[in-house]
Amino acid sequence: QQQVKQSPQSLIVQKGGISIINCAYENTAFDYFPWYQQFPGKGPALLIAIRPDVSEKKEGRFTISFNKSAKQFSLHIMDSQPGDSATYFCAASGIGQGGSEKLVFGKGTKLTVNP
Amino acid sequence: DGGITQSPKYLFRKEGQNVTLSCEQNLNHDAMYWYRQDPGQGLRLIYYSQIVNDFQKGDIAEGYSVSREKKESFPLTVTSAQKNPTAFYLCASSAGGGSTEAFFGQGTRLTVV
Repeated sequence: QQQVKQSPQSLIVQKGGISIINCAYENTAFDYFPWYQQFPGKGPALLIAIRPDVSEKKEGRFTISFNKSAKQFSLHIMDSQPGDSATYFCAASGIGQGGSEKLVFGKGTKLTVNP
Repeated sequence: DGGITQSPKYLFRKEGQNVTLSCEQNLNHDAMYWYRQDPGQGLRLIYYSQIVNDFQKGDIAEGYSVSREKKESFPLTVTSAQKNPTAFYLCASSAGGGSTEAFFGQGTRLTVV
């Protein structure tokens, strides 16, 4: 059972273009939605995160758009650069069974930005 | 330096042997997590723990076991019951209690031959 569905699986954009990655979730108990960036052979690192009380959050070239009613959120990378080439994961966090906080991830999107 | 340390980076084991992966954090985080990463599968949650001496099964706990005897340590044992143990394993921690940033280790690549 996949709790967070992410698309597309891979994405190729030209330098300067906009990269858009989408995610959808089912569990309404989720209350925190981060995006992680991972380079080959490394652990993921937090890029940007949003909570359901806002519809958009922007940090530099990275923007999260959040649609609570549709249970969807997306990552937009403006002016994409070759250095942005990495795998991006959306995630969702909330209280799981037993009362412990649970963090689950989408399957990832491999982004390639061509120079 | 504060952070989360996984060891070893590469691990080779023979089929049928149990193996324990180490995860230590000095961030004073309450929550810790273990994930398995396979190509095209993303990060799948194996086990997670909110406090010492308590942990919960994630989505793919079969064939794995954990302990949380100390706040800073959350070792993962891959048992012989795990049918396909070769993978990249990632440990993470977070302050918890309100969904805060999770910090990841550099991972352990386990190969079972």
